[in-house]
Amino acid sequence: DTGVSQNPRHKITKRGQNVTFRCDPISEHNRLYWYRQTLGQGPEFLTYFQNEAQLEKSRLLSDRFSAERPKGSFSTLEIQRTEQGDSAMYLCASSPGQGDGDTQYFGPGTRLTVL
Amino acid sequence: GESVGLHLPTLSVQEGDNSIINCAYSNSASDYFIWYKQESGKGPQFIIDIRSNMDKRQGQRVTVLLNKTVKHLSLQIAATQPGDSAVYFCAENNAGGTSYGKLTFGQGTILTVHP
Repeated sequence: DTGVSQNPRHKITKRGQNVTFRCDPISEHNRLYWYRQTLGQGPEFLTYFQNEAQLEKSRLLSDRFSAERPKGSFSTLEIQRTEQGDSAMYLCASSPGQGDGDTQYFGPGTRLTVL
Repeated sequence: GESVGLHLPTLSVQEGDNSIINCAYSNSASDYFIWYKQESGKGPQFIIDIRSNMDKRQGQRVTVLLNKTVKHLSLQIAATQPGDSAVYFCAENNAGGTSYGKLTFGQGTILTVHP
């Protein structure tokens, strides 16, 4: 399977703990995106990378959230001091990055539950 | 508590019928539009896209129509099958603006296909 992969698929944690999610994009895709999706809603943009550079961050991304893509390949999303409101599906997407409006392909997501 | 997010528009059709799913987008500067299909517990799956210099694009069993005058997008599915049952999201992107990495998703429509 050469699609976007995410790990873990499910994460249950207690409030106040830190969690880290990993995303492996489609090979040779330059752009990588993180979204958050709550029940009954469409995905909401969090941040995106062009290669290793983080080019945009949403206001949804509080200072407890940090994302990295150190070598321009896989990316990690860390949430510190988790809160119950962080419970959601965290989706990663990647795109070739060639030109404008290139298609974003999504991974299966990581479902986070904060108790 | 409030459950606005659970009140998605729904469309129920019989197997073999044609389906039309509608979406109103908000940003008149958006120039790239995508339809995604999302099954329960999975990430959004790309269906078809269209750029703002077009008003119609056809794929396999699917057609997307774009009306920029009224900022309206529709997805037509021909000969709908039970496997088409899912939540369908439209997404818009301002590829020529400063946020060209960001997709903004619509509310979503639940499609149920009855055998």
